[in-house]
Amino acid sequence: GDSVTQMEGPVTLSEEAFLTINCTYTATGYPSLFWYVQYPGEGLQLLLKATKADDKGSNKGFEATYRKETTSFHLEKGSVQVSDSAVYFCGGTGRRALTFGSGTRLQVQP
Amino acid sequence: EAQVTQNPRYLITVTGKKLTVTCSQNMNHEYMSWYRQDPGLGLRQIYYSMNVEVTDKGDVPEGYKVSRKEKRNFPLILESPSPNQTSLYFCASRLHDRGVTEAFFGQGTRLTVV
Repeated sequence: GDSVTQMEGPVTLSEEAFLTINCTYTATGYPSLFWYVQYPGEGLQLLLKATKADDKGSNKGFEATYRKETTSFHLEKGSVQVSDSAVYFCGGTGRRALTFGSGTRLQVQP
Repeated sequence: EAQVTQNPRYLITVTGKKLTVTCSQNMNHEYMSWYRQDPGLGLRQIYYSMNVEVTDKGDVPEGYKVSRKEKRNFPLILESPSPNQTSLYFCASRLHDRGVTEAFFGQGTRLTVV
């Protein structure tokens, strides 16, 4: 079945540091890929998405590129802020639903 | 405002006492699903529904039931809760299960079974 693997956290960074959270997927066919963010006490919100190979999703300074050759969709941000502290989930569409990775907690320190 | 509403947000109950967590969406979405979130395990799908009167098991359906009598509602039923069902539950809806449609999530229900 489809599966998504993302790097384990927590990831602790200082403000303005560069962020990378790795995500790879295994699926039949070519799923659409998503990054969701979960702020404390809230549900998941869509952060960005990509629908086909070489697509780049971007939002709020975050970016991720759909790499078919490496089956990856790594999340990056050039300069993180304290307000980016949250749990980030990588996901891919399957027949039944989005399949999610286990989530990566990001803690940004002032 | 487009939203998915879950109730209650917090619930503490005792083993064996039947409970229902409600989920309602106002976006006329066909597809709805339930997830549970546990530390280190991420989000795991419990049940999903592709339309009214159409439901199917996800990855961890044991101990749960669902129904989809109306398009907007998708309640999660625990007939006889057990402590291993203590978790954070999320309901989600999508326009449909074809193509690229993002999922909208409720704010979650934190359930504790003692």
